[in-house]
Amino acid sequence: EVQLVESGGALVQPGGSLRVSCAASGFAFSSYWMTWVRQAPGKGLEWVANIRQDGSQKHYVDSVKGRFTISRDNPKNSLYLQMNSLKAEDTALYYCATSEQSSSWSLKYWGQGTLVTVSS
Amino acid sequence: DIQMTQSPSSLSASVGDRVTITCRASQSISSYLNWYQQKAGKAPKLLIYAASSLQTEVPSRFSGSGSGTDFTLTISNLQPEDLATYYCQQTYGLWTFGQGTKVEIK
Repeated sequence: EVQLVESGGALVQPGGSLRVSCAASGFAFSSYWMTWVRQAPGKGLEWVANIRQDGSQKHYVDSVKGRFTISRDNPKNSLYLQMNSLKAEDTALYYCATSEQSSSWSLKYWGQGTLVTVSS
Repeated sequence: DIQMTQSPSSLSASVGDRVTITCRASQSISSYLNWYQQKAGKAPKLLIYAASSLQTEVPSRFSGSGSGTDFTLTISNLQPEDLATYYCQQTYGLWTFGQGTKVEIK
């Protein structure tokens, strides 16, 4: 069974840093592009970042470029999102998901999310 | 950036109705368009990929169509369990989602 389990969400002050993680199991993690999507409370979905299987390509939404870094550790079947210089507008539920080029980069498997709250 | 505009933002329909949600891209995205269903308190679920391909185990009452800039998600024979918010997503450029369409059951 495919499982994606996010962790690391917390309450953090504006300007602070946080790293959230996603533990994968039940599939060949190293064969998939991986993605972070976030959802602010009561709002819609926003793609944040994605990373190629070997980590050689990374893409970010403009609003987090220079502040967030996506990374992965294939031997540990783990995905990470390092978030620096956090702002109130980064408050959201952060999901990790798999994406496949062969199916229009669709997000097939999702975790349940980890909540990041940026507030003083 | 490619903007995705969904309409309507919400709708109310009866069980058995045919429901249509549209998604318009600000530029041509070929068929790089996916649809998701999100129920309250749950993660999104993939319904349709590449504009018209039904994801495995998704009921056949869901269908997608379109290419270029105009796309449609159709739910034929609406069921109570289809109560959810539906999102389109383009993956042609840097990925973006539509703002969502909330489907309510009368």
